[in-house]
Amino acid sequence: GAVVSQHPSRVICKSGTSVKIECRSLDFQATTMFWYRQFPKQSLMLMATSNEGSKATYEQGVEKDKFLINHASLTLSTLTVTSAHPEDSSFYICSARLGGQANTEAFFGQGTRLTVV
Amino acid sequence: GQQVMQIPQYQHVQEGEDFTTYCNSSTTLSNIQWYKQRPGGHPVFLIQLVKSGEVKKQKRLTFQFGEAKKNSSLHITATQTTDVGTYFCAGPDTGGFKTIFGAGTRLFVKA
Repeated sequence: GAVVSQHPSRVICKSGTSVKIECRSLDFQATTMFWYRQFPKQSLMLMATSNEGSKATYEQGVEKDKFLINHASLTLSTLTVTSAHPEDSSFYICSARLGGQANTEAFFGQGTRLTVV
Repeated sequence: GQQVMQIPQYQHVQEGEDFTTYCNSSTTLSNIQWYKQRPGGHPVFLIQLVKSGEVKKQKRLTFQFGEAKKNSSLHITATQTTDVGTYFCAGPDTGGFKTIFGAGTRLFVKA
């Protein structure tokens, strides 16, 4: 199957700093990527849809100035958590699909465990 | 809004016992997908069901899609310790673009 690579897998940062997470589709082009947040023992919460060459679409309640998304190429989307605080500590996962609709398999990155101290 | 509900939240079984997780959507779904997430890992696609009443099998796993296309189930026969993880069902939103995940069922298997 297709491969989505996410980096870093773990990051610890100080409160007030920013952290960038990269999501790459390694063997296919993804005009759209999705960013999820997962709290311990909970489901995947969609944060935003990353669109290549245009602005991301954020879900209700997700601060776009807090979670900056850039999708500058067909194989790379980045999520930057700005001015991170301990409550931003979480597991962040990206995904991409080969097709445009939600009737195709989603391929997930390995996830990034962010700890803000 | 559209919801995908999944029960149970947790299930502890003895190795060799069967396991079933159930998924219910508040709306009719064009398709339903199932994913497995191992502890510390990321979700991995298992299968997609599209047709009303569809049943698919993958070795010890049996997936069903309800006649009304609003519910689904995953049944594992004779669980093994390798089955440990969280099983998520997921369906498309009404726009057909986003994927809505159920809360997941965490399966614990005791050897």
